[in-house]
Amino acid sequence: KQEVTQIPAALSVPEGENLVLNCSFTDSAIYNLQWFRQDPGKGLTSLLLIQSSQREQTSGRLNASLDKSSGRSTLYIAASQPGDSATYLCAAPKAAGNKLTFGGGTRVLVKP
Amino acid sequence: DAGVIQSPRHEVTEMGQEVTLRCKPISGHNSLFWYRQTMMRGLELLIYFNNNVPIDDSGMPEDRFSAKMPNASFSTLKIQPSEPRDSAVYFCASSLHTYEQYFGPGTRLTVT
Repeated sequence: KQEVTQIPAALSVPEGENLVLNCSFTDSAIYNLQWFRQDPGKGLTSLLLIQSSQREQTSGRLNASLDKSSGRSTLYIAASQPGDSATYLCAAPKAAGNKLTFGGGTRVLVKP
Repeated sequence: DAGVIQSPRHEVTEMGQEVTLRCKPISGHNSLFWYRQTMMRGLELLIYFNNNVPIDDSGMPEDRFSAKMPNASFSTLKIQPSEPRDSAVYFCASSLHTYEQYFGPGTRLTVT
């Protein structure tokens, strides 16, 4: 059974600092790994998807890395802004067509 | 593209009543997922469909829950009878070939 963990559960940083969000998973036989953002009272917005054959994926200030052997993924957000304040979740399916297992999320607060 | 559409956005009902949640996936997507989010349990997959066929319903909590997908552009999640512990936010998501999942805004269900 896949278990996905995100530590810490909450993070507060001053504006401009780089954010590092961690995601670990127990079963390395993942098909891909997806990072989402959730604003309070809203749905999930997909940020990045890394295929199992990839090591990293970049979109603007966001960079996600994947190390299957160690069961870890890291989301980096450069030069954080107050608008980056949200909960960030990672999720992984074990195989194509399989259900996503979500981590508990990291709640981020970027202080101006 | 309108994204995943869910209705209603909010539902308040009394215990014992039937509740029907609706979802319209992104046009062209062939996989549809129903999730439930609570503070206690986080995000959980209830059921997912591939090409309108239910593939995995192991997350459906009880026989009170049922889901259908009569065609590629519509799905329902029904709870009958509803109970206070069913109160949660229910999300629908869709994807193409079960790659990147796109979430709807969710339905906030309150059962009194």
